[in-house]
Amino acid sequence: DAGITQSPRHKVTETGTPVTLRCHQTENHRYMYWYRQDPGHGLRLIHYSYGVKDTDKGEVSDGYSVSRSKTEDFLLTLESATSSQTSVYFCAAQERGLAGGRGYNEQFFGPGTRLTVL
Amino acid sequence: ELKVEQNPLFLSMQEGKNYTIYCNYSTTSDRLYWYRQDPGKSLESLFVLLSNGAVKQEGRLMASLDTKARLSTLHITAAVHDLSATYFCAVLNAGGTSYGKLTFGQGTILTVHP
Repeated sequence: DAGITQSPRHKVTETGTPVTLRCHQTENHRYMYWYRQDPGHGLRLIHYSYGVKDTDKGEVSDGYSVSRSKTEDFLLTLESATSSQTSVYFCAAQERGLAGGRGYNEQFFGPGTRLTVL
Repeated sequence: ELKVEQNPLFLSMQEGKNYTIYCNYSTTSDRLYWYRQDPGKSLESLFVLLSNGAVKQEGRLMASLDTKARLSTLHITAAVHDLSATYFCAVLNAGGTSYGKLTFGQGTILTVHP
């Protein structure tokens, strides 16, 4: 795996407060992703990064922002948390691009952060 | 927009029985992943299927990919309790990039009981 850790692992916060989740990886992987997991929806991509300072939106990016100032860290920020953002958040990393070639490139996932917004 | 649908979403099996989980997707892709998730845990990679006709087997699980039908199957043989988990398929959406993104199915919650 990519030695991925997430912090905090659990957080309870109130509506309207800012929240930052951290993803840290030790393998120098170029690509990093943030997903949220909700029952019946599988995992949905929030934002991703294809290099330091290079990020883009996923399918459910509204209300979220990200930053990547170092290869090893990818931060997810909820500027003003809402109850609809209560979820389990997973970070993933991969060494090389998934598309092209015939490599068995895979995404490796962190342990997850359970966020509750009251 | 790529859509990925799994069925069934819930599967209750008896030990020793066989069953298949299906993963259908809506647009062309030639790479598909299967993951396993235990309750409260992260996702663990099971299989990476790279091309049409690919078949991978690990223990009691066998995965296959038919890119023309846009269908992957995860076949369970002689189920045991330890296979109880949620199984996700994820389809590569290259989108003209070299890195691509994954679109996940909803997940199939598998329970194996005596």
